[in-house]
Amino acid sequence: GAVVSQHPSRVICKSGTSVKIECRSLDFQATTMFWYRQFPKQSLMLMATSNEGSKATYEQGVEKDKFLINHASLTLSTLTVTSAHPEDSSFYICSATDRFGNTEAFFGQGTRLTVV
Amino acid sequence: LAKTTQPISMDSYEGQEVNITCSHNNIATNDYITWYQQFPSQGPRFIIQGYKTKVTNEVASLFIPADRKSSTLSLPRVSLSDTAVYYCLAHPMNYGGSQGNLIFGKGTKLSVKP
Repeated sequence: GAVVSQHPSRVICKSGTSVKIECRSLDFQATTMFWYRQFPKQSLMLMATSNEGSKATYEQGVEKDKFLINHASLTLSTLTVTSAHPEDSSFYICSATDRFGNTEAFFGQGTRLTVV
Repeated sequence: LAKTTQPISMDSYEGQEVNITCSHNNIATNDYITWYQQFPSQGPRFIIQGYKTKVTNEVASLFIPADRKSSTLSLPRVSLSDTAVYYCLAHPMNYGGSQGNLIFGKGTKLSVKP
């Protein structure tokens, strides 16, 4: 099946720094990618919808200036956590569907962010 | 997007068949039902998807009654490695644009014991 790859799988950063997470669709083109956040023992929460070539759409309560999303190509979306704080520590997961929108969503393996 | 309700947790033993039922009373006509599996510190993995009646693949079966207000994921002969959280989602099939976002409920934590 289709593969979505996230990088890095885990990252530790200092409070106040920025961290970039990449999400790539390896064998298909994805016009839309989605970013989720998952806290321990909780479900996935949608943060934003990333559209190739246009601005991302953020869910209510998600700060667009803190979580910068760039979807510059049909195979790559990036999420940058700016000025990270310990409360941003979480598991970040991306998903993508093919450009024709007619298959199931494929998820990346997730990125464990720890802000110290 | 239709809200789904599942049991919070289930216990089973190796070799047993496990059935997880999901309620989606407000499912829309164009909604499909998809089940995902998630292991700790991993992204969700697609298990099975259906619209009505029964769907079967190499890992599971999905039963959907005629009214589509519920669905049942059936895992035959579970093993320890099937211990995971299982999510049921009801969503439009067309993933274009904003319809592609999936809203996850709390899921069902399945624990398989030896």
